[in-house]
Amino acid sequence: AQSVTQLGSHVSVSEGALVLLRCNYSSSVPPYLFWYVQYPNQGLQLLLKYTTGATLVKGINGFEAEFKKSETSFHLTKPSAHMSDAAEYFCAVSYNQGGKLIFGQGTELSVKP
Amino acid sequence: DVKVTQSSRYLVKRTGEKVFLECVQDMDHENMFWYRQDPGLGLRLIYFSYDVKMKEKGDIPEGYSVSREKKERFSLILESASTNQTSMYLCASRTQGNEKLFFGSGTQLSVL
Repeated sequence: AQSVTQLGSHVSVSEGALVLLRCNYSSSVPPYLFWYVQYPNQGLQLLLKYTTGATLVKGINGFEAEFKKSETSFHLTKPSAHMSDAAEYFCAVSYNQGGKLIFGQGTELSVKP
Repeated sequence: DVKVTQSSRYLVKRTGEKVFLECVQDMDHENMFWYRQDPGLGLRLIYFSYDVKMKEKGDIPEGYSVSREKKERFSLILESASTNQTSMYLCASRTQGNEKLFFGSGTQLSVL
């Protein structure tokens, strides 16, 4: 079955440090890839997505992610964490345009002052 | 801005009760979805609807049903609530053929 795995249910970084949230998917067919963010007491909102073209994708709030087909990965990064980045982050995949999204387990990001 | 509104933020029900969770979107989206969110399990798809009066089972439909009589409204029904249905329920919508989902703020359901 197709799946997506996020390594680490909790990640803690210091303010100003690099943020790296890991996501791997299982498929030989390149999927559409997404990162969603959920702030406390809110629904999810789209951070960025990869469909085709450039493998380095830039999103909102300074986040970016790189699609690496050879590693079946789509890790999310941000050079310098801010306190407001504290949230839960979900990686998701879809295997056709407009198809169902399959979500990972989520990674909770904490940012220490 | 797209708005997806879930009628209740918190809901407490008793085992065996029939429960209705309502979701309304204001952007004429064709597709609507119901997910449940549990710690360590991420989001799991319960049911979805590609358009009015259409419904498809997701990955965990057991114990749930849905209704989509109008395009803007998608209801999730728990016919006989059980304690293992205690969870956060998220509704989402999108335009047909578009990957971007718009989510509601969620309903935290507790079944006692």
